[in-house]
Amino acid sequence: EAQVTQNPRYLITVTGKKLTVTCSQNMNHEYMSWYRQDPGLGLRQIYYSMNVEVTDKGDVPEGYKVSRKEKRNFPLILESPSPNQTSLYFCASMNPAGTENNEQFFGPGTRLTVL
Amino acid sequence: GQQVMQIPQYQHVQEGEDFTTYCNSSTTLSNIQWYKQRPGGHPVFLIQLVKSGEVKKQKRLTFQFGEAKKNSSLHITATQTTDVGTYFCAGPVGNQFYFGTGTSLTVIP
Repeated sequence: EAQVTQNPRYLITVTGKKLTVTCSQNMNHEYMSWYRQDPGLGLRQIYYSMNVEVTDKGDVPEGYKVSRKEKRNFPLILESPSPNQTSLYFCASMNPAGTENNEQFFGPGTRLTVL
Repeated sequence: GQQVMQIPQYQHVQEGEDFTTYCNSSTTLSNIQWYKQRPGGHPVFLIQLVKSGEVKKQKRLTFQFGEAKKNSSLHITATQTTDVGTYFCAGPVGNQFYFGTGTSLTVIP
């Protein structure tokens, strides 16, 4: 089954404790992306990756890191989480922009609370 | 910076009534996509529009892309309780994606 998986689904942590949210896709997509969703703000892109070893900042990259060592995986790293990073996070993948169908496939989401 | 606004933010309708959400981008988009997110779920792709003035239909849903490729609309005819959720528009600017603020639809049986 074609899917994007994320782990963990729920996480409560404390300020300053490094954490990683994993994301994996099995559709051989080149483009992967991380979003955060906050009430009234929609989804905002944090980072995206056009391909292996190629990552770029989205609209709200401060406080986040990513890596793309393999095509299927795109982890999101919070080196020193702060309460303003409490949010719902989605990973997504798609064929690259410019192809006919830019449908993004989303993971189930990770609800992060930073105390 | 780039912004994509949607109105209304919330809409409550009686089952059987029509519903429309409007999406406006501060810049021209090469294409626009629409997604639906059920309560507690993740966004799911509905459709992509590419051409200026394009209109596409999916059963009771009608999608339109404006002539200037800066605005779009989604119209649902005769809403059903299965239409409940938040509808987002989204479009690329370069390699970045910008999502609208979303319209949350509640359908009252």
